[in-house]
Amino acid sequence: DTEVTQTPKHLVMGMTNKKSLKCEQHMGHRAMYWYKQKAKKPPELMFVYSYEKLSINESVPSRFSPECPNSSLLNLHLHALQPEDSALYLCASSQTANNSPLHFGNGTRLTVT
Amino acid sequence: GEDVEQSLFLSVREGDSSVINCTYTDSSSTYLYWYKQEPGAGLQLLTYIFSNMDMKQDQRLTVLLNKKDKHLSLRIADTQTGDSAIYFCAEGQNNAGNMLTFGGGTRLMVKP
Repeated sequence: DTEVTQTPKHLVMGMTNKKSLKCEQHMGHRAMYWYKQKAKKPPELMFVYSYEKLSINESVPSRFSPECPNSSLLNLHLHALQPEDSALYLCASSQTANNSPLHFGNGTRLTVT
Repeated sequence: GEDVEQSLFLSVREGDSSVINCTYTDSSSTYLYWYKQEPGAGLQLLTYIFSNMDMKQDQRLTVLLNKKDKHLSLRIADTQTGDSAIYFCAEGQNNAGNMLTFGGGTRLMVKP
């Protein structure tokens, strides 16, 4: 079992929809991450939050909008996505944003139709 | 830039040992990680090793690090069918953001 919880597990959305992915951890970690993973590929970093502030945005299109309401929660707001955005979206957390292992959630499988 | 390489596939018989290899290019890596991903699931942190260590053992798992050759391996003793998964090697940098560079993953198939 993972200590990083992601909801929903599966999401199907149209290109005009607005939806949000949610992530929660109660390990007291102060860094949280969004990764995108396409089939048969390793995860790719999208965003890093450190102490609830966005510290890294890996040139992600603006149709993906992250939000960190508090130290336990991380959201990813989705709007006007494209079919090629279909992927497994993984949330992770670590104690700090330096030299601490990342713990991943089970991901949200997103399909854009 | 950093590069992490792994072989694509490994097949072993149940009860045998598995050795999954990884090479990396960035000598400034501070931590090296092994993650396991089962179908439809996220990444499970298996173990990690600090770059000033040569070996780490944790129950059935043994990690060996050859820093000179930039080679990392994961040995799974007494491999079970439940060990079938994709194994990702990753290197971490000592900088803000805790950025990981992942290898392409090795698919381990365990035959009964």
